[in-house]
Amino acid sequence: AQRVTQPEKLLSVFKGAPVELKCNYSYSGSPELFWYVQYSRQRLQLLLRHISRESIKGFTADLNKGETSFHLKKPFAQEEDSAMYYCALYTGGFKTIFGAGTRLFVKA
Amino acid sequence: GAGVSQSPSNKVTEKGKDVELRCDPISGHTALYWYRQSLGQGLEFLIYFQGNSAPDKSGLPSDRFSAERTGGSVSTLTIQRTQQEDSAVYLCASSLVGAPDSYEQYFGPGTRLTVT
Repeated sequence: AQRVTQPEKLLSVFKGAPVELKCNYSYSGSPELFWYVQYSRQRLQLLLRHISRESIKGFTADLNKGETSFHLKKPFAQEEDSAMYYCALYTGGFKTIFGAGTRLFVKA
Repeated sequence: GAGVSQSPSNKVTEKGKDVELRCDPISGHTALYWYRQSLGQGLEFLIYFQGNSAPDKSGLPSDRFSAERTGGSVSTLTIQRTQQEDSAVYLCASSLVGAPDSYEQYFGPGTRLTVT
């Protein structure tokens, strides 16, 4: 079955601490994975995609096919990182499966 | 330029009534998606339109839900005989192409539907 799992509904860290938002997927094909972010009172927007191997706003995510994971990481969290984060899996046929989301709260 | 727009931003309706939600995608975007965002449920795919192809309706939860896209642009999501479990934020997104290598969905602000 095709599935995206984000085990943490809420993650709270202190400013300056490392942060890792977990994402695991289930997919038989070659996965195309993304992270989307929704800041307070803003629209949902693409943060990064694994094929680009990019770092956006200090965030990186590495695809680990062995562990079927695509965790989002940042070494030093900032207050402005507080938002809702969704992991997403493109399954072909122009369809994307989103996880349940993790709300990140960065405390001062 | 203008992003994806949705109307209304909020809709409160009584159980059993029909509602129509509107989405204006970014001009020139050929792909249009509808999602439902429920608390703790993530984003649930509802329907996808690409150009003039038949829409992918595989995500629609029941036959009370339908959607159309006129002239390859504006889309309307209709929910008939609304139920309380239909209460959610309905998000529309558009993208220029449907291929993953250039894939980015641009989301609208959503319509918050409350069924009383």
